[in-house]
This record gives sequence, structure tokens and C-alpha cells, in this order.
Amino acid sequence: GESVGLHLPTLSVQEGDNSIINCAYSNSASDYFIWYKQESGKGPQFIIDIRSNMDKRQGQRVTVLLNKTVKHLSLQIAATQPGDSAVYFCAEKQAGTALIFGKGTTLSVSS
Amino acid sequence: DTGVSQNPRHKITKRGQNVTFRCDPISEHNRLYWYRQTLGQGPEFLTYFQNEAQLEKSRLLSDRFSAERPKGSFSTLEIQRTEQGDSAMYLCASSPRTVMNTEAFFGQGTRLTVV
Repeated sequence: GESVGLHLPTLSVQEGDNSIINCAYSNSASDYFIWYKQESGKGPQFIIDIRSNMDKRQGQRVTVLLNKTVKHLSLQIAATQPGDSAVYFCAEKQAGTALIFGKGTTLSVSS
Repeated sequence: DTGVSQNPRHKITKRGQNVTFRCDPISEHNRLYWYRQTLGQGPEFLTYFQNEAQLEKSRLLSDRFSAERPKGSFSTLEIQRTEQGDSAMYLCASSPRTVMNTEAFFGQGTRLTVV
């Protein structure tokens, strides 16, 4: 079946560095993508989303890039802080269906 | 707090017992989703409702699982004859129905341990 996956299970960075978390998706029919952050013992928290008619979207300290040609999604976090340490999931969606999640990347930020 | 609320937060049960979880979505969100998450994995979709109608069920959802949303507001997820493999975090999410896709807002989850 088709699913969303992440390239690396873990990423370790120093405080202040920029972080890039990658995700590959296989369903070309997906038209909406979300990045979620999940801290231990909590539910996923929305970070940023992007629709398939866009290739870049910026938020506060975060940027999502979408490359539909190679079915790749990335999350860039600028000036990473210890509070950014968490598991990050990308999720994809088609109209009328539920979000499908990948396995997650654990981001560890050391000060 | 006007976010998605789930109860209980934790549940320990003996194998073979039935359990029921409750989810109260964000007010006026007419879409409600149930997911299951095991350690180290992403949330797996179980089922979703639009108002009181259950529109989609995952093939992962065995016959022992049933979900309801009788009045289109809160929802319950029941697991009958629990097995140790049912141990997981059960997450509920809600979203408004809009023309465009929009994000789902998650609750804190109910952690089920079957002993």
C-alpha cells in the first residue's frame, strides 16, 4: 500500500543550528501535507501545512518545502532550540480521507 | 480549555475485559478521527466520523473495536475482549468541515495497557 515515510529516524543538532527533517511520500493523489510535533506523553501538535498547489510555505522559524516531482517534503527549523526536541511526523491527505502518518523523526537538540 | 479532550488519560485492564474511551472534540468540529499509536510509530488511522456518520474504517480495525458518535458531538471507542496487542495510545482528533483540507487537532490520548 501507499504510505508516508521519513528518511531518518533520528537527528541530533546543536542549539542554534538549523534543522532539516525530510519525508518521502508515495501517493501522488495526496494534495495536502502537514508536519506535526509530538512531545513525550502528548498528542501530536500542528506545526505547519502546505497544499499541493504550493512548493514552499513559511511560518515562525519553520519552513515547509514540497517537491511534487520527487514526492518529497521537508521541514526546516531555524535556530533550533532545546524546546524543539520532539518527534516530528509528516502526514498526507487526500480530499475526503483521513490523515496518513509516517514513522517519525526524533529531533534531539543539545545546548 | 477548548481543545480535544480524551478520557481517561490512562487505563490498565486485564486481558479479556472490555474498555471504553471517550473523546470530546472541539466544539463545532464536525469531523472526528480515532488513531492508534504504538511506541516509536506514527499514529495509525482507525476510523472517522462526519457528524454522526461513520464514513471510513481502517482494515486494521478488528471486529472487537467499535466506535460511535451518536449525536455528532462526543465519540466513544470500545474494545471488547482486550488482548495484549491492543496496548497502545489511542488518539482522537477533530477538524472542521471546510471546502479546503485543514489540519486535525489532537487530544492528549488515552494510554491503554492490557496485562
